[in-house]
Amino acid sequence: ETGVTQSPTHLIKTRGQQVTLRCSSQSGHNTVSWYQQALGQGPQFIFQYYREEENGRGNFPPRFSGLQFPNYSSELNVNALELDDSALYLCASSFTGLGSYEQYFGPGTRLTVT
Amino acid sequence: GDSVTQMEGPVTLSEEAFLTINCTYTATGYPSLFWYVQYPGEGLQLLLKATKADDKGSNKGFEATYRKETTSFHLEKGSVQVSDSAVYFCALSDQGYQKVTFGTGTKLQVIP
Repeated sequence: ETGVTQSPTHLIKTRGQQVTLRCSSQSGHNTVSWYQQALGQGPQFIFQYYREEENGRGNFPPRFSGLQFPNYSSELNVNALELDDSALYLCASSFTGLGSYEQYFGPGTRLTVT
Repeated sequence: GDSVTQMEGPVTLSEEAFLTINCTYTATGYPSLFWYVQYPGEGLQLLLKATKADDKGSNKGFEATYRKETTSFHLEKGSVQVSDSAVYFCALSDQGYQKVTFGTGTKLQVIP
């Protein structure tokens, strides 16, 4: 069984640029959630995708957007990067169905905005 | 909205000491409760979970009991090892939504 994978591992961008992060969900999972983890903090929910549609969103501005593909993989896009966007971005996959609530996390992408 | 409060760290213990990390939550309905662990430089790993009141989650010697009357889910381990050094996150999930709400994390350092 393949776990959740994310790419790239590390990324350095300049303020104002755009970035795309990628996530492959665990085999058998149909839902992907994205989280932002600032240094020394707990992860904050950005949004979730199910059946290729956004299925809930946290308190993040519209410049954070995403996609889910038919194979359940996902992308997180961030436009007009700001210094405060520097964080570890975590992707989590899960199965939406009866009695299944566990989210399995990938290793994360460390984004640094300079 | 939902929230999780856990004790601030860092917590420093000697090997074989008893560990307790306190966690309380606020939520509507009947959330599922989790403890995740994050080792240095790594992502989050699910340590244990409980899905209803009075359930006890356990894994690798760690335990936590879902206490609805006190809205708590304290993490315990009878004898910690150096390899348990990590950051521990208490979290909850609204069962109808799957969004996970995390606490701020508690860093545990175990010294030989």
